[in-house]
Parts: sequence; C-alpha cells; structure tokens
Amino acid sequence: DTGVSQDPRHKITKRGQNVTFRCDPISEHNRLYWYRQTLGQGPEFLTYFQNEAQLEKSRLLSDRFSAERPKGSFSTLEIQRTEQGDSAMYLCASSLGGVSHEQYFGPGTRLTVT
Amino acid sequence: GNSVTQMEGPVTLSEEAFLTINCTYTATGYPSLFWYVQYPGEGLQLLLKATKADDKGSNKGFEATYRKETTSFHLEKGSVQVSDSAVYFCALSDPSEKLVFGKGTKLTVNP
Repeated sequence: DTGVSQDPRHKITKRGQNVTFRCDPISEHNRLYWYRQTLGQGPEFLTYFQNEAQLEKSRLLSDRFSAERPKGSFSTLEIQRTEQGDSAMYLCASSLGGVSHEQYFGPGTRLTVT
Repeated sequence: GNSVTQMEGPVTLSEEAFLTINCTYTATGYPSLFWYVQYPGEGLQLLLKATKADDKGSNKGFEATYRKETTSFHLEKGSVQVSDSAVYFCALSDPSEKLVFGKGTKLTVNP
C-alpha cells in the first residue's frame, strides 16, 4: 500500500485557464474527501464521495468547481476559469468510513494562479 | 455549526520543555476528536484521536483527553524534541464524517 497519491504536486496556471487534479486513494477505502488549505489556515472541506456517489458539497465549492469519482476509484477535481483566489493547496484524503476511522491524507497539489 | 478553536501560534520552546496546545470545540452531538501534525514539506498525518468522552489518545509521547464538560481536547507532551517542530491541527469529525479543522499551531523546538 503506497498511501494516497495526488498529481500533479504543483500547478502554475494563468487566470482564466482550467485545471484538473487527480487523487488516487488507498485501494480498499470507500470514502474520498477533498479539502482546500490556504496559507496559515487549517484545511477546509470541499466535497466527499462514498464509492462513486458524491454525497456532500461545501458552499465553498462554486459552480466553477466539479469533482468526480468514476467507478469509485480515483477522483478528479476540476476548476474552470481559475481566479487568483483559487490559489491554495488542494488535499485529498481517503478512509474506510465511520466517525472513528482515520482519514489518510495525500501530499496535496499546490495551485498558483497568476 | 461545528467549529474548532485552537491556540494561536507560533509557539517556541526549548528542547525538553513541556508542551500544551489548547483546543476547544463547538459541535452538535458527540464528535470524534483528532490531532493531526504536518511536518515541514510533508502531508498531514494523524497524531492521535479520541472517539468518546474521557477517552485519552496518545502517540509518540503526546496525549490529549476528550473533555465533554469543557468541550476541550488539549494536546500535551512532557518533553519536546527538536524533531517535534511542526504545525499541529486540532480537528473534529462531524456526523457526516468530514473533518473540521482549527487554524493550526506552529511549534518550533530549539536545541
């Protein structure tokens, strides 16, 4: 088991461009979460999946953001028409589900919008 | 709504000093509580957790006790090391199991 992986680790893009990030969870984990972390803040919840079903989306997730988890395996997070305020670290986590189960975090994708 | 408030940093200590990082929470129901740690250049790692009142989580010399009466989950370590330098996040798991984090406390331990 190699843990949660995310790709790319860093992304620099120009305002208005679209970007897509990928997360590969731990293989037996049915829950997958996306969080966003800005400098000096704790991670903030964006959305999560139970298998392939997207169960909850934060109000932070504007219409420019979309996430998918086809076949309940890897997940993608797409941001359309990026804005400078989207610059942040995007974190993915996976778990077995259940309030006592640990969420395992990936290394994150750092997005810089110029 | 659910929220976590933790001690503002940064915190700077000398090696072998006692550490306390305060964390209080607001939540409906009985959340699970966690401390996560982020070492420089690394991802978030679970340090310890407690799932019900009066539970004590412990790991690597760190401890925290789930205090329902004071809605607190303070992190303590009796003797810190330089290698403990990191950012520490207190978090709770809400009924939908997503994590709600505090802002983080940066700890620097000097030799």
